[in-house]
Amino acid sequence: KQEVTQIPAALSVPEGENLVLNCSFTDSAIYNLQWFRQDPGKGLTSLLLIQSSQREQTSGRLNASLDKSSGRSTLYIAASQPGDSATYLCAVHTGANNLFFGTGTRLTVIP
Amino acid sequence: SAVISQKPSRDICQRGTSLTIQCQVDSQVTMMFWYRQQPGQSLTLIATANQGSEATYESGFVIDKFPISRPNLTFSTLTVSNMSPEDSSIYLCSVGEGNQPQHFGDGTRLSIL
Repeated sequence: KQEVTQIPAALSVPEGENLVLNCSFTDSAIYNLQWFRQDPGKGLTSLLLIQSSQREQTSGRLNASLDKSSGRSTLYIAASQPGDSATYLCAVHTGANNLFFGTGTRLTVIP
Repeated sequence: SAVISQKPSRDICQRGTSLTIQCQVDSQVTMMFWYRQQPGQSLTLIATANQGSEATYESGFVIDKFPISRPNLTFSTLTVSNMSPEDSSIYLCSVGEGNQPQHFGDGTRLSIL
């Protein structure tokens, strides 16, 4: 069974810093990997989707990379802002239309 | 991307009762998914709902406890039956086709007294 791990569980940084969130998965047979953010008491907002054949995707200040063979993905956030404070979740799609989620990294950006 | 509306957004229920959660999508989709997020945990898939067929449940979830309807291509309901405090969670529906991103509703925050 696919297992997804996110490190660190929580991260606190001052505004303006660049930061990296990590995601690892045990089974490299994935269709794609998706990063989400979740604000307290809210649903999930899709940030980036990387197909299994891709190495990275970029959207604004966000860059996600994928190394399928080693079972790793990173989400890079440039010039962090207080509005980036949220929980970030990665999820791998195994082709059975099921997403396996990590437990998330809770990010706090201090003004 | 699809816009997904869930109702209710939150509820507080008595143990032993049932609650039906609605999920409405602004476009026709083949598959809809129901997830549970227990306090402090990540998301776990409950079931996949296709229009015109019975839902497919994941291990640990059964139809008697979580009956699902999928009457058309834009709507689904999840019922949480005979609720106990252990059912206190956020319930989310999502849609996604093939290799496209999955999109989620805002969820239903359920508390059982």
